[in-house]
Amino acid sequence: QSALTQPPSASGSPGQSVTISCTGTSSDVGGVSWYQQHPGKAPKLMIYEVNKRPSGVPDRFSGSQSGNTASLTVSGLQAEDEADYYCSSNADYNNYVFGTGTMVTVL
Amino acid sequence: QVQLQESGPGLVKPSETLSLTCSVSGDSITGYYWSWIRQPPGKGLEWIGEIFSSGSTKYSPSLKSRVTISVDTSNNQMSLRLSSVTPADTALYYCVRHRERSFPDWGQGTLVTVSS
Repeated sequence: QSALTQPPSASGSPGQSVTISCTGTSSDVGGVSWYQQHPGKAPKLMIYEVNKRPSGVPDRFSGSQSGNTASLTVSGLQAEDEADYYCSSNADYNNYVFGTGTMVTVL
Repeated sequence: QVQLQESGPGLVKPSETLSLTCSVSGDSITGYYWSWIRQPPGKGLEWIGEIFSSGSTKYSPSLKSRVTISVDTSNNQMSLRLSSVTPADTALYYCVRHRERSFPDWGQGTLVTVSS
């Protein structure tokens, strides 16, 4: 199963919104979660089961899915949102597949 | 708050077996799913495989022939063995706890370099 496809980079000014896509084949995308990773740090869970936020994650972070594409939207961009973001899918309840990763830059 | 700590040799020779241990503190290893995830330097994340505390396992199809994950509930530890390693196996290896098809709890990771 190949990695899910994400855009290599995305950017926005403080206060703006940025949306990151995560695309697979029709059967590849399910049970999607999203992770934020700052340099030198372990990934942090931001969204699970497509659109649920763990306790402590700001509501500026939201997730959605349409067909074989999942999306993460960061609203009201802040400097600390600058990081790498990865999606993960567990569509078949057997294997986990990560996306290729997106570097978000706050201009 | 669960804490996960990976440990093991930082340098492994090609063709040898990589062995890592994840020590869990702050909660019991029982009743949860646990995974190993790796990240080559400067690259993305790759799921290696998972184990439930009962010992049932699932492995990534691309690594299945070389991977063994085991659990020691008496010592609250999980282990990874990856055989016949090559330089392509050089990565930061993370121990991770599952919840609802996601990974909320991560160790700090341990860097393993494959080199002669």
